[in-house]
Amino acid sequence: QVTLKESGPGILQPSQTLSLTCTFSGFSLSTYGMGVGWIRQPSGKGLEWLANIWWDDDKYYNPSLKNRLTISKDTSNNQAFLKITNVDTADTATYYCARIVYGYNYFDYWGQGVMVTVSS
Amino acid sequence: DIQMTQSPASLSASLGETVTIECLASEDIYSNLAWYQQKPGKSPQLLIYDASSLQDGVPSRFSGSESGTQYSLEINSLQSEDAATYFCQQHHDYPYTFGAGTKLELK
Repeated sequence: QVTLKESGPGILQPSQTLSLTCTFSGFSLSTYGMGVGWIRQPSGKGLEWLANIWWDDDKYYNPSLKNRLTISKDTSNNQAFLKITNVDTADTATYYCARIVYGYNYFDYWGQGVMVTVSS
Repeated sequence: DIQMTQSPASLSASLGETVTIECLASEDIYSNLAWYQQKPGKSPQLLIYDASSLQDGVPSRFSGSESGTQYSLEINSLQSEDAATYFCQQHHDYPYTFGAGTKLELK
């Protein structure tokens, strides 16, 4: 059974760095073809893909966020991480992590999401 | 970036009816399209992948099709639990992009 769960700070101030953790079970990021993606959704709005990390440590980022994103993983603890630097109010959203399988590239299992508010 | 133009933004239908939601890709995405259902306060759930393949456990009243760069999600025999917002996503090329969503309301 595949499950994912996001965790984060809840609230942070503009210019700070947002650190998110995705803890998962039912698959391993050391297994060929496995990947985790991060997607966010401002309240009442659409979905925005942010980044993917793959079993071989290959990483892809949404260029719209330029150099603010860093994705990483800890395979021994079944976790993936996302950092967003220099946040502002536009980064207020629910952040989801989701599993992705190489060659298929859609998100087949999603976490419940974690709400993040950027406010001074 | 590949743009996904989804329509309509909202629709209202009655139980038992059939509805169609569409996504137009700005370029060829070679059937690499997924459909997700999102209920209020919940995370998106995969319904359809590769334009027309039904995810395990998804009722057969959901179906996907394509014509060129136009992709459609059809829901037959609407049930009350189908009230949700539906999103398309192209998974052909980075950056992955989503449609803006269609909110389906049951009358």
